[in-house]
Amino acid sequence: GAVVSQHPSRVICKSGTSVKIECRSLDFQATTMFWYRQFPKQSLMLMATSNEGSKATYEQGVEKDKFLINHASLTLSTLTVTSAHPEDSSFYICSASGGGSMASTDTQYFGPGTRLTVL
Amino acid sequence: GESVGLHLPTLSVQEGDNSIINCAYSNSASDYFIWYKQESGKGPQFIIDIRSNMDKRQGQRVTVLLNKTVKHLSLQIAATQPGDSAVYFCAENRPPPTGGYNKLIFGAGTRLAVHP
Repeated sequence: GAVVSQHPSRVICKSGTSVKIECRSLDFQATTMFWYRQFPKQSLMLMATSNEGSKATYEQGVEKDKFLINHASLTLSTLTVTSAHPEDSSFYICSASGGGSMASTDTQYFGPGTRLTVL
Repeated sequence: GESVGLHLPTLSVQEGDNSIINCAYSNSASDYFIWYKQESGKGPQFIIDIRSNMDKRQGQRVTVLLNKTVKHLSLQIAATQPGDSAVYFCAENRPPPTGGYNKLIFGAGTRLAVHP
């Protein structure tokens, strides 16, 4: 139980284009979703937190106009990297927390991650 | 600033031995702690959690110990297997100071290498 999926798992794009990453909770309702970024051999850095139907709360130093987050339903959140540049290349991971029989409200369940490479 | 950190960046063990991964935290207001396992190219996988009103919790081959006095957390893996090789992160669930959302603050990670 408490499964979170991400799509795509890997994306390569040209500099200047925008990329959308989807995060879905498959068997529970995710009241809160989180987006993280992870560089090689480093820990996870929280980018933003969102509640369904609300604007995302961004961490200090994260540009909200560059990393657009939409949490339109209790099972789906999207992260759009706008006008991507090579320095945006990273491993992006979402997590979700929520209720129901499959999930604990305190625990974050992570997706498999999306490897973004910007050429 | 406050952080969650790890004592050892890498740990090498022999297959069958027990492994102990340590973690220190500094925020006494944190009330919930989680250990995650991350394999290369994958997202973190939940292993075990513990709340601040407990000092020990056991799972299948894993035990988490919490010492609130010295703000220390450890993960013990019994009879370590090659499949346990991964990076292990401790995470501290930190309540917001005023409203907002709880945050997970991750430690730097410890790489566990299991040798046959």
